[in-house]
Amino acid sequence: EPEVTQTPSHQVTQMGQEVILRCVPISNHLYFYWYRQILGQKVEFLVSFYNNEISEKSEIFDDQFSVERPDGSNFTLKIRSTKLEDSAMYFCASTKDSPFADTQYFGPGTRLTVL
Amino acid sequence: RKEVEQDPGPFNVPEGATVAFNCTYSNSASQSFFWYRQDCRKEPKLLMSVYSSGNEDGRFTAQLNRASQYISLLIRDSKLSDSATYLCVVMEYGNKLVFGAGTILRVKS
Repeated sequence: EPEVTQTPSHQVTQMGQEVILRCVPISNHLYFYWYRQILGQKVEFLVSFYNNEISEKSEIFDDQFSVERPDGSNFTLKIRSTKLEDSAMYFCASTKDSPFADTQYFGPGTRLTVL
Repeated sequence: RKEVEQDPGPFNVPEGATVAFNCTYSNSASQSFFWYRQDCRKEPKLLMSVYSSGNEDGRFTAQLNRASQYISLLIRDSKLSDSATYLCVVMEYGNKLVFGAGTILRVKS
């Protein structure tokens, strides 16, 4: 069964450093998402991406965040200057068709630790 | 008011028990509704979609009441492997999923 994959599984970085989290969505999927989950808290939407542009973003997704689909397979989340409060699990998700009619499949996540 | 509210639990039940989870959502324009399951430090996995007509998948039954903005999940004949956090999830405009904080289920032998 096709899966969403994410690398790395765990990233440790110093405050102020840039990080890039990588995702490979399911191959025939068209819509891509990033969510985050701070330890002990609920999963929160960050951004959705379709047709090479952001379709929706949350208040969390400020100027420090960016997303890119640099080639036909990868979907990346960049945090320009990490803060302590960026420490969280970051989940990538994808869906094939119009999301109202389809399921979002989640990757296993990247645990980001900012020191 | 929280967008999606759930009783956090934990619900501690013996094997074979029937357990019910409830959820309310605040946005009446929400279009799609789901129950996801999350194991400790893992990704959310879709358990089932929820429809107004109600739907059943084996031991799991989900129900949606749009008028009351209320979603439920019933698990019959609980198994040890059902122990997890159950997430009530609503899809809103912009294709974003809005998650509840989750209800913890612990099934004990």
